[in-house]
Amino acid sequence: GAVVSQHPSWVICKSGTSVKIECRSLDFQATTMFWYRQFPKQSLMLMATSNEGSKATYEQGVEKDKFLINHASLTLSTLTVTSAHPEDSSFYICSATSGSSYNEQFFGPGTRLTVL
Amino acid sequence: AQSVTQLDSQVPVFEEAPVELRCNYSSSVSVYLFWYVQYPNQGLQLLLKYLSGSTLVKGINGFEAEFNKSQTSFHLRKPSVHISDTAEYFCAVRKETSGSRLTFGEGTQLTVNP
Repeated sequence: GAVVSQHPSWVICKSGTSVKIECRSLDFQATTMFWYRQFPKQSLMLMATSNEGSKATYEQGVEKDKFLINHASLTLSTLTVTSAHPEDSSFYICSATSGSSYNEQFFGPGTRLTVL
Repeated sequence: AQSVTQLDSQVPVFEEAPVELRCNYSSSVSVYLFWYVQYPNQGLQLLLKYLSGSTLVKGINGFEAEFNKSQTSFHLRKPSVHISDTAEYFCAVRKETSGSRLTFGEGTQLTVNP
């Protein structure tokens, strides 16, 4: 199946700094990428949907100025958590879809962010 | 809008016992249905999906699920579980429209005990 990678797999940063997480589709072109966050013992919460070359569509309650999403190419999307605070600590997961007949989403392995 | 309800947050079973993880959904339009598994600190892996056709869907690792349109259910089953099946399982639905978002249930923690 299609492979999606995320980098880094985990990151620890100080409060007030910014962190960039990369999501790459390794063997297909991702027309749409999704960003989720997951708190411990909870389900995935969709943060935003991004289409290559377009501005991301954010879900209600997600601050677009805090969570900057860039989808500059068909194989790369980035999520930047700006001025991170401890409450931003979470597991961030991306997924990508190729626009095939039924548009299966392929998930990355996730990035564990810890803000001190 | 779609919604998904996973009726059991935790399911403990003994090794080699059968298991059923329940999932009900609500939608005003036709949807695709999915089951994903998540091991600790990892992303989601697709177990199986229902797109159309036969209502009994077979997936990886010996899992299967049956789509029941009248009951709006998509329960996941395995006749004999292993210790390695211990994980979090998520049911999800998506509209058939291209690029549509997935809506996830709250998840069911399956714990297989020796």
